[in-house]
Amino acid sequence: NAGVTQTPKFRILKIGQSMTLQCAQDMNHNYMYWYRQDPGMGLKLIYYSVGAGITDKGEVPNGYNVSRSTTEDFPLRLELAAPSQTSVYFCASSYSTFREETQYFGPGTRLLVL
Amino acid sequence: ELKVEQNPLFLSMQEGKNYTIYCNYSTTSDRLYWYRQDPGKSLESLFVLLSNGAVKQEGRLMASLDTKARLSTLHITAAVHDLSATYFCAVDGNFGNEKLTFGTGTRLTIIP
Repeated sequence: NAGVTQTPKFRILKIGQSMTLQCAQDMNHNYMYWYRQDPGMGLKLIYYSVGAGITDKGEVPNGYNVSRSTTEDFPLRLELAAPSQTSVYFCASSYSTFREETQYFGPGTRLLVL
Repeated sequence: ELKVEQNPLFLSMQEGKNYTIYCNYSTTSDRLYWYRQDPGKSLESLFVLLSNGAVKQEGRLMASLDTKARLSTLHITAAVHDLSATYFCAVDGNFGNEKLTFGTGTRLTIIP
């Protein structure tokens, strides 16, 4: 298994540009998550999904959108990039909430908005 | 609103010494997680603690959970350089959807 994969690894955007961060998992996990990590800080939840077609907001959803058309993929869309969105973005997945399951994290996407 | 606080934020310790990282959270939680993050890397799961009094150990690391005190500890025994990393605790405050709230992390540096 490749686990959780993310692309791209690094991206520079200009203010106002848009982009999609890709996330895929091959573990047949129902739950998927997007976090951002600002320098020296913990992770903050942006959006999450409990299954294909079902998404919900996390702690910091403004400026982002998500979709979940398949179990495997959970892309994150930035519509109008702002400097405040400079961060490292992590995608994660987990199987269920009713077992001793942890979240598995992807390698991250570093985004710089100038 | 669930708040998760870790202390200390920074910890520099000598090899061979013991130390404890503390994680306090503000509301009732169903489970608590500990993760490790190396510089520039992703997060690696260390422990999942599900019940009051839970204790888990892996090598030189031991984690415990006191749900009544809303406190988890990560104890490091006889530290070695390889344990240098940032350690995060995370709390699931809403049963059923695993919306985790992370602490700000403890940056641990082990000095030879």
